[in-house]
Amino acid sequence: AQSVAQPEDQVNVAEGNPLTVKCTYSVSGNPYLFWYVQYPNRGLQFLLKYITGDNLVKGSYGFEAEFNKSQTSFHLKKPSALVSDSALYFCAVTPTDTGRRALTFGSGTRLQVQP
Amino acid sequence: GAGVSQTPSNKVTEKGKYVELRCDPISGHTALYWYRQSLGQGPEFLIYFQGTGAADDSGLPNDRFFAVRPEGSVSTLKIQRTERGDSAVYLCASSLTSGASSYNEQFFGPGTRLTVL
Repeated sequence: AQSVAQPEDQVNVAEGNPLTVKCTYSVSGNPYLFWYVQYPNRGLQFLLKYITGDNLVKGSYGFEAEFNKSQTSFHLKKPSALVSDSALYFCAVTPTDTGRRALTFGSGTRLQVQP
Repeated sequence: GAGVSQTPSNKVTEKGKYVELRCDPISGHTALYWYRQSLGQGPEFLIYFQGTGAADDSGLPNDRFFAVRPEGSVSTLKIQRTERGDSAVYLCASSLTSGASSYNEQFFGPGTRLTVL
């Protein structure tokens, strides 16, 4: 069975500073990996995905994530944080080789960007 | 264009009652998913439809939960004999069909908040 760990419940960063939200995963075989963001009273919004190819994936709103197979990690990054980035971030995984389509999510990390 | 819509946005019911939650996916999306999100947790998978058929229902917690998608578009999640532990936000997502070596991202609706008193 697959699983996702987001070790930080909350990440605090000052506006303009770089941010990192951590994610590690466990899956049999190769993974498809995703980041979603959830704003208050709104649904989950897709940010980016890793399917195959380049380990550095670029997504919406200036976010990017780096796939590291040896460390089974997929950390979300942004060079310069904005106050409007404050939200709840979820990492998700599904295996590539089973035909399973359901996503397994982590428990989420709350990002707080201070002005 | 229109996103995934879910109705009602909020549902309060009493223990033991029956509820139906509706999901209207993005037009043209053949795959539809139901997830459940409890407070402070990430979404947990319930069931996945490809067209009209349930391709994976391994996440349904017990036989009180059932979902249908009779015409391959709108889906209804049905919960019988509701229990207080069923209280959660129920999320619906849809996507284009993924191929053997690709994966189309899921687009989520705003959710239905179910409260069982």
